[in-house]
Amino acid sequence: LAKTTQPISMDSYEGQEVNITCSHNNIATNDYITWYQQFPSQGPRFIIQGYKTKVTNEVASLFIPADRKSSTLSLPRVSLSDTAVYYCLVHGPTSGGSYIPTFGRGTSLIVHP
Amino acid sequence: NAGVTQTPKFRILKIGQSMTLQCTQDMNHNYMYWYRQDPGMGLKLIYYSVGAGITDKGEVPNGYNVSRSTTEDFPLRLELAAPSQTSVYFCASSSDTGTSLPGELFFGEGSRLTVL
Repeated sequence: LAKTTQPISMDSYEGQEVNITCSHNNIATNDYITWYQQFPSQGPRFIIQGYKTKVTNEVASLFIPADRKSSTLSLPRVSLSDTAVYYCLVHGPTSGGSYIPTFGRGTSLIVHP
Repeated sequence: NAGVTQTPKFRILKIGQSMTLQCTQDMNHNYMYWYRQDPGMGLKLIYYSVGAGITDKGEVPNGYNVSRSTTEDFPLRLELAAPSQTSVYFCASSSDTGTSLPGELFFGEGSRLTVL
């Protein structure tokens, strides 16, 4: 299965911009990068997805360089409620030949007052 | 819409017991997945299904079995529970995008299993 590498943890303060970078050196040519957010005792939920360059929605931006071997999730002006684990996902081929979402360990973001 | 529903939310098993975690989705998604999450770790894929009647192994399938007789349901069975299976189990589903890649994942609330 395809692998991703992210920092294990990050700390920030309310009102700051947070950038979390993910490495995915073996991403498939047709694959896209997806980021999920997980709060304690809940399942992950979708934040943003992109294939290349920059994608922005109401909660985050996603920057993907031309070689697509990494991506950066940007959270503008974080608040205490952004404290969560953030996962970068790509799809890896399984032994059965399907492309299935693969989770790494994620980045635990703690936002301080 | 209920989305993805998992039952039970909590369960304590004795070593050697068997049980089934239920998962149902009402979004008519073709893809369904079972992940397990150990404390402080990411999610590891146990089994997945790309449609009714089709299942396949993920990263950590040993000790588990699944079936997919309908589009809606994807139960996960533990035959002989072991302490190593103490974990939080998440069921998820996603749509078929018409390409080789599935769509956005929708997760259930999780089932916390303890094996003593």
